[in-house]
Amino acid sequence: KAGVTQTPRYLIKTRGQQVTLSCSPISGHRSVSWYQQTPGQGLQFLFEYFSETQRNKGNFPGRFSGRQFSNSRSEMNVSTLELGDSALYLCASSLVGGGPTDTQYFGPGTRLTVL
Amino acid sequence: AQSVTQLDSHVSVSEGTPVLLRCNYSSSYSPSLFWYVQHPNKGLQLLLKYTSAATLVKGINGFEAEFKKSETSFHLTKPSAHMSDAAEYFCVVSDSSGDKLTFGTGTRLAVRP
Repeated sequence: KAGVTQTPRYLIKTRGQQVTLSCSPISGHRSVSWYQQTPGQGLQFLFEYFSETQRNKGNFPGRFSGRQFSNSRSEMNVSTLELGDSALYLCASSLVGGGPTDTQYFGPGTRLTVL
Repeated sequence: AQSVTQLDSHVSVSEGTPVLLRCNYSSSYSPSLFWYVQHPNKGLQLLLKYTSAATLVKGINGFEAEFKKSETSFHLTKPSAHMSDAAEYFCVVSDSSGDKLTFGTGTRLAVRP
């Protein structure tokens, strides 16, 4: 079974631009979560989607948004990019996103650099 | 709210010697705990998870962890380190719904030949 895939793997943008990242979950997984990883803040939870609905949200500004499609694929959008948005963005999928038996599986990440 | 504290930011061992990566957790409910590993420029790979079924959890690549409620600890061990174990390791706790993961700050493991 194919793992979680993320595209693109690397991205370079300039301040003020917007960016869209894509995540395809493992087949059959319906929950997709997004995380930001930076050297200073470590790994932080952005949001989680299940059945096309945002079910959980971390402490990030409204510039960070996402959506999920009917096939469970998810996109994350960051508008008005700032230098501090440079990070590795990780996507994780799980069957239903909850309960003791569910597990999140991570993709390789998208490395975003903001100049 | 739940949290995890990884007690060592860097650990260095010789190949063939035991590995101990320490993690303490804080949670107001019975937690689900995980260890993930991240190799350079790679995503996160699940090593093992604890979900109250058994206190000693065996994972992949010879790693195991023991849940100790009295000590609020979930330390990761391996009897004999291999060069390929060099990576960053994250101790993780999930919230009560299981949707949101809270990560520790990570422990970078170096393995000397």
